[in-house]
Amino acid sequence: ETGVTQTPRHLVMGMTNKKSLKCEQHLGHNAMYWYKQSAKKPLELMFVYNFKEQTENNSVPSRFSPECPNSSHLFLHLHTLQPEDSALYLCASSHSIGQDGNTIYFGEGSWLTVV
Amino acid sequence: AQSVSQHNHHVILSEAASLELGCNYSYGGTVNLFWYVQYPGQHLQLLLKYFSGDPLVKGIKGFEAEFIKSKFSFNLRKPSVQWSDTAEYFCAAVRSGTYKYIFGTGTRLKVLA
Repeated sequence: ETGVTQTPRHLVMGMTNKKSLKCEQHLGHNAMYWYKQSAKKPLELMFVYNFKEQTENNSVPSRFSPECPNSSHLFLHLHTLQPEDSALYLCASSHSIGQDGNTIYFGEGSWLTVV
Repeated sequence: AQSVSQHNHHVILSEAASLELGCNYSYGGTVNLFWYVQYPGQHLQLLLKYFSGDPLVKGIKGFEAEFIKSKFSFNLRKPSVQWSDTAEYFCAAVRSGTYKYIFGTGTRLKVLA
């Protein structure tokens, strides 16, 4: 049990589909993150939210649309994705951002395959 | 650009062998450094972290890492590995006061029983 729960764990979608990834954290944290993990590449930071406000959009294409309705929930809405978007999408949370010693805690990830 | 380098992509060891995984970062200034582990089929878990104080940091499961500022390094060590240490290990860094955690590409460790 990580304290950060992601659903679905596996998703296969066509390039014209619209789907969403969901993340929920039970750790009382205020910051939430989306990362993309592809084979042989470093984890790529996509989005950061702090107290529900987006503080980072790391040049992510608009076909990925995040939503953070409250500090415990984070969504990643997916629309007209490309096959190269197939990857493991990781949600993470931390107490806050910018604090020394701050540790981020990861969920188990959502495996996305775009066909 | 800020980056974290892990030079060993795949490491194979026998049980009881000693382990050292390299990690170098390219930041200037004060950094916080982390090692995460990902066991097969599981989530990324924190092994240890450094943000101030003693540069030799001890983590869970007998792991330790040493921060050497002059070498921009934060190598992970374990004196005697076990089969259960088979996993992928990620080094990460974040500049103090910021939130952009930068990860290395990971090192896959396989320990032979």
